[in-house]
Amino acid sequence: TQLLEQSPQFLSIQEGENLTVYCNSSSVFSSLQWYRQEPGEGPVLLVTVVTGGEVKKLKRLTFQFGDARKDSSLHITAAQPGDTGLYLCAGVPGNQFYFGTGTSLTVIP
Amino acid sequence: NAGVTQTPKFQVLKTGQSMTLQCAQDMNHEYMSWYRQDPGMGLRLIHYSVGAGITDQGEVPNGYNVSRSTTEDFPLRLLSAAPSQTSVYFCASGEDSLSTDTQYFGPGTRLTVL
Repeated sequence: TQLLEQSPQFLSIQEGENLTVYCNSSSVFSSLQWYRQEPGEGPVLLVTVVTGGEVKKLKRLTFQFGDARKDSSLHITAAQPGDTGLYLCAGVPGNQFYFGTGTSLTVIP
Repeated sequence: NAGVTQTPKFQVLKTGQSMTLQCAQDMNHEYMSWYRQDPGMGLRLIHYSVGAGITDQGEVPNGYNVSRSTTEDFPLRLLSAAPSQTSVYFCASGEDSLSTDTQYFGPGTRLTVL
């Protein structure tokens, strides 16, 4: 069982559509992070959410941390082909960074 | 700054062979870690280090060894390669292991074990 479960695992949408990716856990986290990974490269940090209920916006991306600090979501408005990639959530119980199972997003022009 | 560098980029091994994946960072980060990435499994932590001379096991440490003799370098050793170790390996570094710290990743090593 993964500590951080993401859904959906795969998502293929047309350019201009909206989408939401979810990151869920049975554990409480002091904060959660979202990374994006492009093919052939390592993940790159997008955002860190630290307060229960917090909402952060990064251009067309909106990140929310659940009130109970066990889950987070990433909403993309008007998706573009440049948004294509693997989206990973991550949290730190103790000294270890745990990553979610990932959501592979493909935006079709 | 080069950031986090990994060598080699690709490697093919035969079952039973040993090898070392190299990882170096020039950001003076204390925290370094190794992950493997398999389809549908996200990134799984193999070993990590909170500073020179200190290492610890992650989620999937079996079959791998690490050492941290300097702040800059964190090599990962495969003692006797097995087909189950076929994967993409990423090294990462961060200032600390705090949950708000950014982890910087290398470009990865794609390993195939035949």
